[in-house]
Amino acid sequence: DQQVKQNSPSLSVQEGRISILNCDYTNSMFDYFLWYKKYPAEGPTFLISISSIKDKNEDGRFTVFLNKSAKHLSLHIVPSQPGDSAVYFCAASARGTQGGSEKLVFGKGTKLTVNP
Amino acid sequence: GAVVSQHPSRVICKSGTSVKIECRSLDFQATTMFWYRQFPKQSLMLMATSNEGSKATYEQGVEKDKFLINHASLTLSTLTVTSAHPEDSSFYICSARDPRSYNEQFFGPGTRLTVL
Repeated sequence: DQQVKQNSPSLSVQEGRISILNCDYTNSMFDYFLWYKKYPAEGPTFLISISSIKDKNEDGRFTVFLNKSAKHLSLHIVPSQPGDSAVYFCAASARGTQGGSEKLVFGKGTKLTVNP
Repeated sequence: GAVVSQHPSRVICKSGTSVKIECRSLDFQATTMFWYRQFPKQSLMLMATSNEGSKATYEQGVEKDKFLINHASLTLSTLTVTSAHPEDSSFYICSARDPRSYNEQFFGPGTRLTVL
């Protein structure tokens, strides 16, 4: 049972336009969400995160939106740059108010290609 | 962000041999480290949680006698793949939570294991 789903295996956008990567989750206990960027044969690099008490978090060109009722989050990159081309993983954890679990559950990733 | 290293980055071994992979937190102390495995075009799957000074916690379906984890110090965790078989060939990635950072896990660059 896949608790974190990234239904688009790939996305291609033009440089300067907006990239929107989507992620859905099924476990209502998840309360912290993260996006990681990964190049081939490298470990993931943390990009941005959001707690379930928020519905938006922004960091430079990256914004993450969380819709708890729909169990959906998205990562917006604007403007997109060729260097953003990579695989983007959505991850979730259920930390709770008592510390909960640090375990991350990952989606399968979306390969973003930004064309010059 | 915090720096996590892994060694070796790439290893090729014969079937039946054992391989040790090291994961180090370079600029912080990590009481907890995590070991993941990634197959091509798949998600990162958590194998086990490595706790300094105590036994690792393995995820369901992961053989603890095959994947030996030792977290002997606050900056080093090792994963030993014992009696490796070709089906163990994969990309192994470790992560650690920096206590200075509330929720983000920082990942190592990964180790590509190929078992012939």
